[in-house]
Amino acid sequence: KNEVEQSPQNLTAQEGEFITINCSYSVGISALHWLQQHPGGGIVSLFMLSSGKKKHGRLIATINIQEKHSSLHITASHPRDSAVYICAVSPFPLQGAQKLVFGQGTRLTINP
Amino acid sequence: GAVVSQHPSRVICKSGTSVKIECRSLDFQATTMFWYRQFPKQSLMLMATSNEGSKATYEQGVEKDKFLINHASLTLSTLTVTSAHPEDSSFYICSARPSGWATDTQYFGPGTRLTVL
Repeated sequence: KNEVEQSPQNLTAQEGEFITINCSYSVGISALHWLQQHPGGGIVSLFMLSSGKKKHGRLIATINIQEKHSSLHITASHPRDSAVYICAVSPFPLQGAQKLVFGQGTRLTINP
Repeated sequence: GAVVSQHPSRVICKSGTSVKIECRSLDFQATTMFWYRQFPKQSLMLMATSNEGSKATYEQGVEKDKFLINHASLTLSTLTVTSAHPEDSSFYICSARPSGWATDTQYFGPGTRLTVL
């Protein structure tokens, strides 16, 4: 079993829909990251959070440390949101250069 | 925001040749950079952790003599794929962790697509 599990693996929705992507992890962490990878390959860091909730534009990320669970929400989804969304965690204990442990990614397709 | 660049963005080479990929942090210093490899429709796989001024730390199963990493300055790390073979064809991504920051932020480069013929 992977230390970081995402669901769903694939998600197709219509423009305007509210999107939720889930991430569960099994290790203690210092931080959780949500990343976006477009078809061209480049990766953008969307959020890094260790508690609570963060919002940036139409994107909202939440984390529940006790339940070891995080969600990424997209409101008013748009075709340009189509990408692979990756959850990654920085596990405890902190040891020098901190490695990330990645989920397998969620491929999101928003149809016009 | 912080920017990490990679060069080249894509490269095609013949089997047996060596290819060097550069990773630069453009507006911050990075004591630590990470090199990842990604196969189609798969997640990132950490290859090695590059430390400025010291030897890289390789993940299990990654051949250090094949994937040479040099982190000569606080803004530049290079990955050289030596004697490349078709099975080395992949998408290589670096990330950089700003020096001195108390958080775990990493900034990712745009990636380099390597095709070995």
